Amino acid sequence: EVQLVESGGGLVQPGGSLRLSCAASRFSFKSYAMTWVRQAPGKGLEWVSGISASGGTTYYADSVKGRFFISRDNSENTLYLQMSSLRAEDTAVYFCAKDLKGNTALVTYMDVWGKGTTVTVSS
Amino acid sequence: EIVLTQSPATLSLSPGERATLSCRASQSVSSYLAWYQQKPGQAPRLLIYDASNRPTGIPARFSGSGSGTDFTLTISSLEPEDFAVYYCQQRMNWLTFGGGTKVEIK
Repeated sequence: EVQLVESGGGLVQPGGSLRLSCAASRFSFKSYAMTWVRQAPGKGLEWVSGISASGGTTYYADSVKGRFFISRDNSENTLYLQMSSLRAEDTAVYFCAKDLKGNTALVTYMDVWGKGTTVTVSS
Repeated sequence: EIVLTQSPATLSLSPGERATLSCRASQSVSSYLAWYQQKPGQAPRLLIYDASNRPTGIPARFSGSGSGTDFTLTISSLEPEDFAVYYCQQRMNWLTFGGGTKVEIK
């Protein structure tokens, strides 16, 4: 079964940094764009960032641009999200997700999701 | 940014009834729209993509329609496991999600 497992969440002070990881298994990770989506407590879904299959193209929501950095290691089947200058409003469950359509530079729709990792920004 | 507005916010229905959920875009997204289902404590599940296509494994009672700015998700006959929150998402210009519609048991 195709699987994504996030890790790296936790409690961090405002202004701090955190790196999330997403380990992928049982599919050709290097062939698919990947995405991070977050969900604040009791709120809806918010797209955060995306990266092309090769890693050569990245996309960010305006709310995180300049603070978050997405990357991937296709040899390790792992997706990352480096988060810095964290704010209280970044508190959320962060999901990584696989793109539906392979071999594209774009992020489109997400057909496989991890269970999420919780990030809490608080002093 | 393309804003997606979902209505109603809450839909109260009984099992076996038909559910009709709406998603309106602030500008045309062509057919680049998806629908997701999310249950409490779970990740979202892709139900429909490109406005009307069902991924493998999604029951036929879920159908999508629309193009441009107005889209509909229809659940033909609600099963007990269909009570959840539903989100639309566009990919025309970056990615954005709608605010969600909660389908609750009446």
